[in-house]
Amino acid sequence: EVQLLESGGTLVQPGGSLRLSCAASGFTFGSYAMTWVRQAPGKGLEWVSGISYSGDSTYYSDSVKGRFIISRDNSENTLDLQMNSLRAEDSAVYYCAKHQYSGWDYYFYGPDVWGQGTTVTVSS
Amino acid sequence: QAVLTQPASLSASPGASARLTCTLRSGVSVDTYRMYWYQQKPGSPPQYLLRYKSDSDKHQGYGVPSRFSASKDASANAGILLISGVQSEDEADYYCMIWHSSAWVFGGGTKVNVL
Repeated sequence: EVQLLESGGTLVQPGGSLRLSCAASGFTFGSYAMTWVRQAPGKGLEWVSGISYSGDSTYYSDSVKGRFIISRDNSENTLDLQMNSLRAEDSAVYYCAKHQYSGWDYYFYGPDVWGQGTTVTVSS
Repeated sequence: QAVLTQPASLSASPGASARLTCTLRSGVSVDTYRMYWYQQKPGSPPQYLLRYKSDSDKHQGYGVPSRFSASKDASANAGILLISGVQSEDEADYYCMIWHSSAWVFGGGTKVNVL
C-alpha cells in the first residue's frame, strides 16, 4: 500500500524557516515524480513545488520561487521542502503527493496519491 | 482572469446527475490538456478521481465508482466531470487541475451539496 507521511509542520514566526519532510513507502520512490501542494484554511488547493523522479529537475510556483527549495533522497525514500522567509500567507496544510506513473517527466502526468498533510502556521 | 474557473457550488438530489464544469481561460484550449479531477471531503486530503484528455487518453482512479466520468466540451472550452446517480457520500469539494505554463494549476473548486 502506498503511504506518504508528512512531518515538520509547526508554528513559526514571519521571516523564519521550516523544513517539511515526506516519508514514502509502498512503492519504488525513486521512480516517481513528487509534488507539494498546500491548502490555506477554508481555501482551495495551490500547487507549491515539484521534483522529477531523479531529482534533476525542480519546479516552483511563482509565490514560493526563491524562498522554498524542494529536494529528495531516493536512498531514504524521503521528500523535503525547505521553506525560508516565511510569510503569513504561507500558512496552510501542506500535502506531499506521488505522481501517477513511474519514469515520466514531471509534467506529463499529475499526482494520484496524497499524504494526510502537515500544518504550517506563520504568525508572531 | 484565472486559468481554470469552476462554479463555487452545485446542488444535486440523490439519484440525479451532477455536471461539474472547469472552464479554461480564453486563449487556453481545453483540447491540448490532460485534466485531472480530485475529490476532497472535510478534514481529509484530496483523492484522485480520474484523468481525461480524450477518449483514448483517460484513466479512472482505482476504486473510483463508474458513476464518475469525465469529458470535454470544446464549444465551451471546458472539462466536465459527470456524477451519474449522485449519492449522499458524493457531497464534497471537487477540483480540476492541468499542467499550464510550467505549473500545475488548480481550479477554485466546486462544492457539491447533495440535498
